[in-house]
Amino acid sequence: EIVLTQSPGTLSLSPGERATLSCRASQIFSSNYLAWYQHKPGQAPRLLIYGASSRATGIPDRFSASGSGTDFTLTISRLEPEDFAVYYCQQYGRSPWTFGQGTKVEIK
Amino acid sequence: QVQLQESGPGLVKPSETLSLTCTVSGGSISSYYWSWIRQPPGKGLEWIGYIYDRGSSNNNPSLKSRVTMSVDTSKNQFSLRLSSVTAADTAVYSCARHHKWELVSSGAFDIWGQGIMVTVSS
Repeated sequence: EIVLTQSPGTLSLSPGERATLSCRASQIFSSNYLAWYQHKPGQAPRLLIYGASSRATGIPDRFSASGSGTDFTLTISRLEPEDFAVYYCQQYGRSPWTFGQGTKVEIK
Repeated sequence: QVQLQESGPGLVKPSETLSLTCTVSGGSISSYYWSWIRQPPGKGLEWIGYIYDRGSSNNNPSLKSRVTMSVDTSKNQFSLRLSSVTAADTAVYSCARHHKWELVSSGAFDIWGQGIMVTVSS
């Protein structure tokens, strides 16, 4: 199965700063079928990005993503207080679909 | 607004079968793919499998033949059964809807339930 490795494990930043999260896959998979999710305690995960770079409905444009092959990036241009959460990447290009272990974005 | 709600026992004995139901409200279960995902305490997310409204399904091979999924369109529900459970199956189990863009379904999940904690213990 494809292993997704997210880095860093924790990102300590202040509101207004830029966050750059990485997701690296152990193998290339189909057509950039990669998603990013935001997960806050006690809430359901929220789809941010699908197809490696397309924002889901209602997602603010401060969230952007890019990448192809095995290296993918999620960028939050200016952190808002509500953006502090855990972020997961997920590949759905090759079964079984797999998730990264998550990056926690915490307030510095 | 579509919402998902998992239900079922929070405690299951080893070697027994875990049974969960996901109820879809605010929208139809038809014409969408639906998945189960779990997260053991302190570990990452694991996709369990998906089912379509007409009953076709696909499972994670790591769970071998222990997984059975079904859908009841009349009740707007779909279900998961995981047999021969062990402590390793202790996890938060979530149901999720597959994202659809321009009528094409993908393996991304755009709506999730809150999740239900299931503990396997005697």
